[in-house]
Amino acid sequence: SAVISQKPSRDICQRGTSLTIQCQVDSQVTMMFWYRQQPGQSLTLIATANQGSEATYESGFVIDKFPISRPNLTFSTLTVSNMSPEDSSIYLCSVSSGTSFTFFGQGTRLTVV
Amino acid sequence: GENVEQHPSTLSVQEGDSAVIKCTYSDSASNYFPWYKQELGKRPQLIIDIRSNVGEKKDQRIAVTLNKTAKHFSLHITETQPEDSAVYFCAASKSSYNDYKLSFGAGTTVTVRA
Repeated sequence: SAVISQKPSRDICQRGTSLTIQCQVDSQVTMMFWYRQQPGQSLTLIATANQGSEATYESGFVIDKFPISRPNLTFSTLTVSNMSPEDSSIYLCSVSSGTSFTFFGQGTRLTVV
Repeated sequence: GENVEQHPSTLSVQEGDSAVIKCTYSDSASNYFPWYKQELGKRPQLIIDIRSNVGEKKDQRIAVTLNKTAKHFSLHITETQPEDSAVYFCAASKSSYNDYKLSFGAGTTVTVRA
């Protein structure tokens, strides 16, 4: 299985600021995704990070709020911009292998104060 | 888009008993159905999955069944143990090669009483 390193693991941020979360995979993967898990809730897909092109966002998520980079097949970043307390969540990077498994990073627990 | 409903939201079972979680999906094009276990403060971990060309799959104490006609699938845990206590999520995907964008159910909190 792919080993996914995500950082930071947690952060406390002031409202109005931005945080960039990094996701590093130990092997080249075609598909990388970013999910959000609000407190006590399920996982919601934010976007698919596409290598060499703009990310594909799900309904309710926009690039200005959640800009994503994917410079190569092993790395991606998600930025949470102009944060408000409603952005307090766990953000998870995930990758899919050719055999269909989807693995998750350990998540970034974000608290906005 | 795909809508996945999961029931029950909470489940308490006596150690050694069985636990069953049920999910339904809306999009008949969905063809891949994984189950994840998430312990408190940890990442979701894949525990079993099933594809639409299979009706049932087992892995030791865990089994998943799929009814494509009814668009529902279920997770069965037998001989439950305290370490089975966690939140379980079902998911569905219209997977194509290397593209497994998942829609998740709301989750089931399973508590195994010793």
